[in-house]
Amino acid sequence: GAVVSQHPSWVICKSGTSVKIECRSLDFQATTMFWYRQFPKQSLMLMATSNEGSKATYEQGVEKDKFLINHASLTLSTLTVTSAHPEDSSFYICSYRSMNTEAFFGQGTRLTVV
Amino acid sequence: GQSLEQPSEVTAVEGAIVQINCTYQTSGFYGLSWYQQHDGGAPTFLSYNALDGLEETGRFSSFLSRSDSYGYLLLQELQMKDSASYFCAVGGGDYKLSFGAGTTVTVRA
Repeated sequence: GAVVSQHPSWVICKSGTSVKIECRSLDFQATTMFWYRQFPKQSLMLMATSNEGSKATYEQGVEKDKFLINHASLTLSTLTVTSAHPEDSSFYICSYRSMNTEAFFGQGTRLTVV
Repeated sequence: GQSLEQPSEVTAVEGAIVQINCTYQTSGFYGLSWYQQHDGGAPTFLSYNALDGLEETGRFSSFLSRSDSYGYLLLQELQMKDSASYFCAVGGGDYKLSFGAGTTVTVRA
C-alpha cells in the first residue's frame, strides 16, 4: 500500500503564531491529497482537497485564509494553520486515496495552541 | 451530500462477537468502507464493500446491502487490542470519504 508520512506528530504553539504540517507520499506520486481535522471523540471532518499545481478546494465552512494548503510537488502537500488560536487545537490528518477503495493516512499531527 | 449513522459505543468481553451497523444516505454511492482508529493514532483501513454481500478478512467481516443503504462490520473472537473506534465511510465520485461519527468498542476481560 501507499506510505504517507506526516510531520510533525505533535506541536505546541503560542496563540497568534503559525504552524506548518507536512504530508509526504514516500512511494508514490499524489496529485490529490485530503486534509482532515478531528476533535476529541469526534469523527474525521474533511477540510480540503489539495491539488498538485493548483489551488486547494475547501469544504464549506473552512476558512481558506486560515488554513493554507500548498501542493507544490507530487510528493509534498503542506497545511499551514495561520494565526492559530486555542480553538484550532485538534488532530490534523492527511490522506491519499487513488481509487474508490482504500484510503491511506499520515500519522496525524496533534496541534495544541496555548 | 452524505450522512452516516452508527452506534456511539459497544462493550463486549474477550472472545465475543460484535456487530457495528451503519446506515447511510448519499447522493452518489461508491462503496462503503471501514476504518479502525486507536486512541492517538491515525485511522487504518479494515474493509471495503462496493457490491452487496459479505467480505471476510480474518476475524473481521463487512457486509453491504445497497438496496437498504446499510452495512455492518463484524468483529469476531474479540481481543483486547480490538478496543478502538470504528468508522464507516462512504466515498464520492471525487474520491472523497465521508465518515460516520464512529463507534467506540470496549473489550473487557
